[in-house]
Amino acid sequence: ETGVTQSPTHLIKTRGQQVTLRCSSQSGHNTVSWYQQALGQGPQFIFQYYREEENGRGNFPPRFSGLQFPNYSSELNVNALELDDSALYLCASSLEAGGTEAFFGQGTRLTVV
Amino acid sequence: AQSVSQHNHHVILSEAASLELGCNYSYGGTVNLFWYVQYPGQHLQLLLKYFSGDPLVKGIKGFEAEFIKSKFSFNLRKPSVQWSDTAEYFCAVKGLGGYSTLTFGKGTMLLVSP
Repeated sequence: ETGVTQSPTHLIKTRGQQVTLRCSSQSGHNTVSWYQQALGQGPQFIFQYYREEENGRGNFPPRFSGLQFPNYSSELNVNALELDDSALYLCASSLEAGGTEAFFGQGTRLTVV
Repeated sequence: AQSVSQHNHHVILSEAASLELGCNYSYGGTVNLFWYVQYPGQHLQLLLKYFSGDPLVKGIKGFEAEFIKSKFSFNLRKPSVQWSDTAEYFCAVKGLGGYSTLTFGKGTMLLVSP
């Protein structure tokens, strides 16, 4: 186990709805990154939070947003869900923003119908 | 922008066969390199990593990888695979310094038949 926990593990939503995914980082880690893993693909970087501020973003539209809380846990919010948003969403925590090793949670499987 | 290319999407081997999974990356600076493994139903786990020094790095479960800077490659090897090695393997690269994130390849699904 990595100490990174995500909830829920599975979720089914309807197109157009909004969803919130949650991540609890490993103890002592102040940096959280979110990734989207579509079927048959490698994880793709969505964004990263360091000490409650977004400090990096991948090629994802603004309807993907996030938060990091004072205890360094994090949320990923997706508005106006599209069918292509169906994927495994992974959260990873690391010790510092430039830290070299990331520890991954088990992911949330989101299905949009 | 950094990118990672994994040569094979699916590999099927018999137990005791040798394994080599190819990985090439593109990045304009110094990088850290990683191989992650994802067993069925489990989270991504770090198999091994290269930061600096000896280009031949050893990881868990008998895996090793060699960093060849001139070829921008970081191939994963194992002399003798086991059925329990059946999993998906991801190569990843991370640039050094400041804000930097992991860029993954598309993954190689390894199936080891007993």
